[in-house]
Amino acid sequence: GAVVSQHPSRVICKSGTSVKIECRSLDFQATTMFWYRQFPKQSLMLMATSNEGSKATYEQGVEKDKFLINHASLTLSTLTVTSAHPEDSSFYICSALKGGPSTDTQYFGPGTRLTVL
Amino acid sequence: GDSVTQMEGPVTLSEEAFLTINCTYTATGYPSLFWYVQYPGEGLQLLLKATKADDKGSNKGFEATYRKETTSFHLEKGSVQVSDSAVYFCALSDRTGTALIFGKGTTLSVSS
Repeated sequence: GAVVSQHPSRVICKSGTSVKIECRSLDFQATTMFWYRQFPKQSLMLMATSNEGSKATYEQGVEKDKFLINHASLTLSTLTVTSAHPEDSSFYICSALKGGPSTDTQYFGPGTRLTVL
Repeated sequence: GDSVTQMEGPVTLSEEAFLTINCTYTATGYPSLFWYVQYPGEGLQLLLKATKADDKGSNKGFEATYRKETTSFHLEKGSVQVSDSAVYFCALSDRTGTALIFGKGTTLSVSS
């Protein structure tokens, strides 16, 4: 199989602080990872595409200075929510492509619930 | 742009009932189609997929057929179990190696 982990699973922070979420592919290498955001009873919305060794590609409307993405290795991508505000509270989910860009099967992490007070 | 529309839930069924969750899509090309399942407290898991017209994806008793003429990919199961209770997402990928476009998800609740 293919396992993707996320850490932490839940985090509560104060408004104005920064939070880092890690996404790891445990048993495969992933040159491409994706970060999604899921609102209650809503679909997953793509935030950005994270490519190992290069800058992330952000979707329209996603602030790249607020949601910092780093993909420094083939098994780890991080999402840092900077100067978090209550409206950033959400469920953040990452996924990883196994097999490189020629594949279309993504493996998802369990998600991180962020609550900003 | 590309989009996925799936029936709104929740869907409530008794054990051994027949399940259909409708999914239609809009895409300019020839997308790959997927069904993902999210069990309570867990991440999304790939349930099945189809990559071209008339392909049938199947897994764990679930099936879905890629219908290009109706732009649909409906999920079916002949006899649901309590353990099938979860949220089901229909999704498409318009190119290999790209992110998925999801429907809003359908919650299925199966009672014994």
